[in-house]
Amino acid sequence: GAVVSQHPSRVICKSGTSVKIECRSLDFQATTMFWYRQFPKQSLMLMATSNEGSKATYEQGVEKDKFLINHASLTLSTLTVTSAHPEDSSFYICSVGLAGESYEQYFGPGTRLTVT
Amino acid sequence: GQNIDQPTEMTATEGAIVQINCTYQTSGFNGLFWYQQHAGEAPTFLSYNVLDGLEEKGRFSSFLSRSKGYSYLLLKELQMKDSASYLCAVKDSNYQLIWGAGTKLIIKP
Repeated sequence: GAVVSQHPSRVICKSGTSVKIECRSLDFQATTMFWYRQFPKQSLMLMATSNEGSKATYEQGVEKDKFLINHASLTLSTLTVTSAHPEDSSFYICSVGLAGESYEQYFGPGTRLTVT
Repeated sequence: GQNIDQPTEMTATEGAIVQINCTYQTSGFNGLFWYQQHAGEAPTFLSYNVLDGLEEKGRFSSFLSRSKGYSYLLLKELQMKDSASYLCAVKDSNYQLIWGAGTKLIIKP
């Protein structure tokens, strides 16, 4: 399966600042990456689908101007949380999968964001 | 709407067997996945079913009935390390994954 890394694993930032989270596919060229958010004791919530070389597709209710996604290469996608607020504190997870195929998704280890 | 239902929490004893059920109502079906997620970690893949029947993989087995919109994950010879949340997810007609809220499994000695 694909190996996916995320950086940083944990980040604490002040309200109003921006935070960038990197997702790397280490052994697989991923045309599509997925960004999820998970609040405590809740299930994964898909935020957006990141497509290499094109604009990301955001799920309903996710602000694209607040959560900036860049997928500039086949191995790297970044999620930037702009002007972070305490309610953005969550567990952010990226995954790699073959869009349109019935294969499992390979998840990164996740990034714990705490906004103070 | 699309819906995945699974119990919120289950408790079982070390060495025993537990079955975690999942029912789904989705627009189309292109496979059902089970993932294990330990607290504070990302999900890891356990199983994939696209045809009816039982798929066995070591201590874990997964069953699917498409006509009933039903699946279960069976865990045998439970170990303390099996304490985790178990997520059921279905790929709909657009190949989008619809996630259940997860079942927290507590293993007691």
